[in-house]
Amino acid sequence: SAVISQKPSRDICQRGTSLTIQCQVDSQVTMMFWYRQQPGQSLTLIATANQGSEATYESGFVIDKFPISRPNLTFSTLTVSNMSPEDSSIYLCSVSFTFEAFFGQGTRLTVV
Amino acid sequence: GIQVEQSPPDLILQEGANSTLRCNFSDSVNNLQWFHQNPWGQLINLFYIPSGTKQNGRLSATTVATERYSLLYISSSQTTDSGVYFCAVERWSGGSNYKLTFGKGTLLTVNP
Repeated sequence: SAVISQKPSRDICQRGTSLTIQCQVDSQVTMMFWYRQQPGQSLTLIATANQGSEATYESGFVIDKFPISRPNLTFSTLTVSNMSPEDSSIYLCSVSFTFEAFFGQGTRLTVV
Repeated sequence: GIQVEQSPPDLILQEGANSTLRCNFSDSVNNLQWFHQNPWGQLINLFYIPSGTKQNGRLSATTVATERYSLLYISSSQTTDSGVYFCAVERWSGGSNYKLTFGKGTLLTVNP
């Protein structure tokens, strides 16, 4: 298994600003994943972050809106840029070990 | 892509009751997991169960891969079991890319 720490756990932000979410894992992993969960909805994969290469984004998500960094094998950041109220969601980072996925505690973002 | 349907969408129980949650998926899968999302938003792994049966305390799960469904059993429910239960699957294409597709979840409320 893995211990995954996300910061911040929650934030309230003004529209038009940006927020960077940090994800720290206690083990080295090749891939880290970022998910979004809109209010009352299921989880949707935003992108896959590989160390040393550009993140791979899923359909409907673009790098300009959700830039991702992956500077080493235990850390990643997701930035939510130029926020609007529609970006209010829980953002979760995830890693997999032997096909089993583990999640951080999530970042609950409210945009006002 | 693969479709994941969970039922029922909502379930209200009295403490001590038993329940069965169902997950149907539209194609064969290589990976299936059950998660519990607590009221604070954190996703907790319950089972990694692409096939067969597993038990962990009051919880057990069965996946019948040939018939494309999985069941999660909760016995002697407690108020702390409240939350959303998600089923997530992955279908490999030339190996695992660790990308999970989530169902919409079952919202369980256990009343004292």
